Amino acid sequence: DVKVTQSSRYLVKRTGEKVFLECVQDMDHENMFWYRQDPGLGLRLIYFSYDVKMKEKGDIPEGYSVSREKKERFSLILESASTNQTSMYLCASSEAGSSYNEQFFGPGTRLTVL
Amino acid sequence: AQSVTQPDIHITVSEGASLELRCNYSYGATPYLFWYVQSPGQGLQLLLKYFSGDTLVQGIKGFEAEFKRSQSSFNLRKPSVHWSDAAEYFCAVGARGTGFQKLVFGTGTRLLVSP
Repeated sequence: DVKVTQSSRYLVKRTGEKVFLECVQDMDHENMFWYRQDPGLGLRLIYFSYDVKMKEKGDIPEGYSVSREKKERFSLILESASTNQTSMYLCASSEAGSSYNEQFFGPGTRLTVL
Repeated sequence: AQSVTQPDIHITVSEGASLELRCNYSYGATPYLFWYVQSPGQGLQLLLKYFSGDTLVQGIKGFEAEFKRSQSSFNLRKPSVHWSDAAEYFCAVGARGTGFQKLVFGTGTRLLVSP
């Protein structure tokens, strides 16, 4: 059974803290994605990675960075958390290919920044 | 750039009734189209997708969707809704030829099922 896991389901941090959100997939997928989900805005792509150590900015990368040192792990980093980064964060992965392959999603991390 | 509109924020349907969720996209060519479902407390799960060919596509859980190029739509349907279908539904579009599998999601439609 395919699986994408995220390190925390709920997280509470203070403004200015450095925050790490971890995502691990066990499907040997090349592509990995970070989205944030907000009511009324749907899912918005923050960053994605198509290979180890490779990354591409999505639609809303400001205030975030990512790291992919191993194929199975993709980390989202908030260098200095702010209250407007309070949101649900979803990680996903998919196979590489010339077409669009199904993205498999983790359960999400609900981050609250106080 | 591609975009997706889901005009209905909430829809309430009686159990056993039929369902249609609307999705309109904006893209210059034939896009890749997807419907995902998110049950409470869960990640998203793919229901179905359209790439080319037959414009009526079948998915899991009894769902189907029809691609209508003339209307730039990809509406999701189910003939008889079950209480377990209560969830949030997202339409998504992917652009051809970008080299990356980047999807743009709509804002979602929350389905409520009444007894």
